Amino acid sequence: GNSVTQMEGPVTLSEEAFLTINCTYTATGYPSLFWYVQYPGEGLQLLLKATKADDKGSNKGFEATYRKETTSFHLEKGSVQVSDSAVYFCALKHTNAGKSTFGDGTTLTVKP
Amino acid sequence: NAGVTQTPKFQVLKTGQSMTLQCAQDMNHNSMYWYRQDPGMGLRLIYYSASEGTTDKGEVPNGYNVSRLNKREFSLRLESAAPSQTSVYFCASEGGGQRETQYFGPGTRLLVL
Repeated sequence: GNSVTQMEGPVTLSEEAFLTINCTYTATGYPSLFWYVQYPGEGLQLLLKATKADDKGSNKGFEATYRKETTSFHLEKGSVQVSDSAVYFCALKHTNAGKSTFGDGTTLTVKP
Repeated sequence: NAGVTQTPKFQVLKTGQSMTLQCAQDMNHNSMYWYRQDPGMGLRLIYYSASEGTTDKGEVPNGYNVSRLNKREFSLRLESAAPSQTSVYFCASEGGGQRETQYFGPGTRLLVL
């Protein structure tokens, strides 16, 4: 079946540091890939997505590239801010009528 | 647009009590989902509804029932609450296609004593 494996957290960085959160997946065919972010006390919201191989999703300075050859969708940001502190979830969706598969989430804390 | 709304925001129950969590979306989405989120456990799917009139079990359906009342509303019922059901419950909706984003509600925090 489908699965998503995320880098374990928590991750603690200083402001302006470079961020990478690893995500790899297992699925047949060509799923769509997503990163969702959850701020404290809120529901998840879409951060970025990519729907085919070699696509790059980007938003708010975050980027992730859909790598079919390594089945990965790693999240990166060049310079994190305190306001980026949140839980980040990698997810995939495989079929039109199916449900999404989520990773376990990675907690990021950015210190001033 | 309100997006996805959930009621109540917070609830305390005693073991054995029943309650219904309400969810509604105003985006004309076909698919709706109920998840629970526990510390260190990520999101776990309880039930989902791919379209109006259909419901399917997720990975943790025991102790829950759902109703897709119409296209807008998807409720989750706990018939006899247990302390193990203490969690944060999220409802989500999406258009239904492979490329579709899920939209989440703000969550219901449930404490079962």
